[in-house]
This record gives sequence, C-alpha cells and structure tokens, in this order.
Amino acid sequence: DAGITQSPRYKITETGRQVTLMCHQTWSHSYMFWYRQDLGHGLRLIYYSAAADITDKGEVPDGYVVSRSKTENFPLTLESATRSQTSVYFCASSADRRDTEAFFGQGTRLTVV
Amino acid sequence: KNQVEQSPQSLIILEGKNCTLQCNYTVSPFSNLRWYKQDTGRGPVSLTIMTFSENTKSNGRYTATLDADTKQSSLHITASQLSDSASYICVVTLNNAGNMLTFGGGTRLMVKP
Repeated sequence: DAGITQSPRYKITETGRQVTLMCHQTWSHSYMFWYRQDLGHGLRLIYYSAAADITDKGEVPDGYVVSRSKTENFPLTLESATRSQTSVYFCASSADRRDTEAFFGQGTRLTVV
Repeated sequence: KNQVEQSPQSLIILEGKNCTLQCNYTVSPFSNLRWYKQDTGRGPVSLTIMTFSENTKSNGRYTATLDADTKQSSLHITASQLSDSASYICVVTLNNAGNMLTFGGGTRLMVKP
C-alpha cells in the first residue's frame, strides 16, 4: 500500500528488553523522522535521516538507535527499554525541500512494564 | 530556546459555531509554519503550510493566518462539525539542514452537538 506505515501498532515489553519499531514509506522521500509524543509535551524529535546511511540526533536521542540502510525503511531500536520510554512513537517522512509536507504514520503505542 | 506555544489548551464549542486557535513562536531562523490536525489514536495530518511571505492560507473550512513580524499564527475553523473534534498542532520549521520541526503542545478541540 502507498504511504507510510508503522509496525507494530501496539507493543508491551519489559524493562531491559530490546525492541524495534518499524517504519516504511513508499514515496522514496529523502527525509525520515522519529518522534515521541507524551502528555504535556509536543512531539519531540528522537532521530532523523536525510538520506540512506545518513542519520542524526534530534532533541531526545538517549536510549535509542536508528539505521537507514534503505531509503524506504527507518527502524528505531530501544536497546534496553526503560519505563520512561513508554510513549506513542510516530515516524514521518518528507521530500528534499523543507517547505514540503511531512507525512506521519499512524503511530506505535509502546508500554514498558 | 526555540518554542511554540498554543492557546487555549482545550476548547469546547457547539456544532456549527466558529472558533480560532492561537499559536505564538520564538523559533529562529524561520522557514515555514504548519497546522496539523491529529485525531485521537492517529498520526498528525497537515492542514496548511505557510512560508514567511504568506499571511493567509485556506483549506476548506480551515483558514490559517501568519504574522511573521509578531511571530503569531491563528487557525480559524468555520461552521464546525463533529468531525473537527481533534487536537490541532502548530509546527514551525527551522531554516536549517534537516527540516527540523518544532511542535506546539496542541489545542484539544471538542465539538458538541
């Protein structure tokens, strides 16, 4: 299907476990982003990627790892999940130019117990 | 610090009425300002994008305004419908590499019959 999709939609994991959230887009957008959304905060940028094999930290990168071996995929890994990482995670993509629209996935609700 | 402040935090209106949501920002250097609609449990969806030189943009019943001098924006919703119930998020794009977006905390709108 065309668009940007995230998986899983919901995930419950235990403290200390590694978990990977997947993001796939079909537009060949250069830029991809990972955000987290928590009550009382606007969306906060975790990591972004300007192209395949190019990634950079955002506002809240600690505890997260990303990779981008292919343009269409941008997985986010929590190396050792903590309760403070319980959140809703959104992936987004946009074309090269900064004035183009960013498209968001439907989100992954992660609960760390 | 780059910030985007929205008001009110929440708003309840009756179906058919108009409303205006406010956004003040201190983001610099400025590239563009976006308004997103986020339904519960979904990712944000773009309503409007305005660059520095634009001071108004409409999308159906949604009209956004931008005053770059005072760093203020508003989103006006005309003849509200029940489906307008959602969070509305003001987002400012930094004029830098990476298309960094700074998100406001959102205004939660509830339209009642």
